[in-house]
Amino acid sequence: DIQMTQSPSTLSASVGDRVTITCRASQSISSWLAWYQQKPGKAPKLLIYKASSLESGVPSRFSGSGSGTEFTLTISSLQPDDFATYYCQQYNSFALTFGGGTKVEIK
Amino acid sequence: QLQLQESGPGLVKPSETLSLTCTVSGGSISSSSYYWGWIRQPPGKGLEWIGSIYYSGSTYYNPSLKSRVTISVDTSKNQFSLKLSSVTAADTAVYYCARLYRGMGAFDIWGQGTMVTVSS
Repeated sequence: DIQMTQSPSTLSASVGDRVTITCRASQSISSWLAWYQQKPGKAPKLLIYKASSLESGVPSRFSGSGSGTEFTLTISSLQPDDFATYYCQQYNSFALTFGGGTKVEIK
Repeated sequence: QLQLQESGPGLVKPSETLSLTCTVSGGSISSSSYYWGWIRQPPGKGLEWIGSIYYSGSTYYNPSLKSRVTISVDTSKNQFSLKLSSVTAADTAVYYCARLYRGMGAFDIWGQGTMVTVSS
């Protein structure tokens, strides 16, 4: 199985901050990486697919980059609605795996 | 727009089989562009992919659950289903069904989720 490791597991930030979350794959997954946002009691919401493609309707302050084994999700200016937990997910092999999650908290 | 809705018992006894159905509305399950999947989330924990199915019936399972999981599709009802056998308390979770867009490699539409508790 391909293991996905996210860091940090928790991040404290303020409104307006630039936030970066990292996801590392245990082997190369090309660009087959997605990012999701999840709020308490809600289903995850797709933000980014194929490492850097923005899902329709997602604000442009979200961006993704990387390929191979290292990927980042960046929020350019954190907004109140962005406090949530973020997950990465790989699709290189059809034994899909998610990262452990990064909780973005209010500082 | 396309919507997914999970249904099934909220309480299952240990050693029994958990059965859930996902009903797809607003679109066809028989599209070549998508797989359909089940993902679960234990209380306070992260997401775990359980498995996925193509409308033709081809299935893909999480290796750690493969011996206990069966996913099936009923194109006439626009539904797909999950069966998880020999459940224990560790299977207590919110269970989500979702659409996996092949071109994206990502789950772009999710159901609201259903809580399943394993307890006697």
